[in-house]
Amino acid sequence: AQSVTQLGSHVSVSEGALVLLRCNYSSSVPPYLFWYVQYPNQGLQLLLKYTSAATLVKGINGFEAEFKKSETSFHLTKPSAHMSDAAEYFCAVSERGSQGNLIFGKGTKLSVKP
Amino acid sequence: KAGVTQTPRYLIKTRGQQVTLSCSPISGHRSVSWYQQTPGQGLQFLFEYFSETQRNKGNFPGRFSGRQFSNSRSEMNVSTLELGDSALYLCASSFNREYEQYFGPGTRLTVT
Repeated sequence: AQSVTQLGSHVSVSEGALVLLRCNYSSSVPPYLFWYVQYPNQGLQLLLKYTSAATLVKGINGFEAEFKKSETSFHLTKPSAHMSDAAEYFCAVSERGSQGNLIFGKGTKLSVKP
Repeated sequence: KAGVTQTPRYLIKTRGQQVTLSCSPISGHRSVSWYQQTPGQGLQFLFEYFSETQRNKGNFPGRFSGRQFSNSRSEMNVSTLELGDSALYLCASSFNREYEQYFGPGTRLTVT
């Protein structure tokens, strides 16, 4: 069965600092991978996704993630944090060919200090 | 294009009652999925519908059910509500099962 592990339920960075949110997956076959962001009292917004081809995926708001099969990882990064990045971030996986059944990690709450 | 719409946004029910939540997908989207979000269990998949057929179901008791209509709108029903059913219920739609999902704002259900 597929599973997702997000290391660190809370991450705090200073404005302008590097953001690194970690995600590891467990799957016998490389799955589809996603990062979603959730702002308070809102639904989830897709930041980026990996389905095949390019292992470095660029998303919205300056975020990017790199798929590393050897490490079964899909970490999310942003070179310079902005106050507006404060939110909860979720990594998710789905089976190849079907994105309608997402398995989510527990989430990482990102705080950005001025 | 309008996003995914969920109604109602907030709901308070009493234990033992039943509740129906509604989801209108983005125009042209035919796949709808439902998720439950709680502080303890996080985001959990409930079910997925495509072309009015349930394609996948998560590990939830039979009190949780859903359906999809010919216009792709979907409803989920929870019968005999329990306190533990208090959660944010999120609906997501996609063009078809092989495309990314777009989430609605959710329905916040409180069971007292």
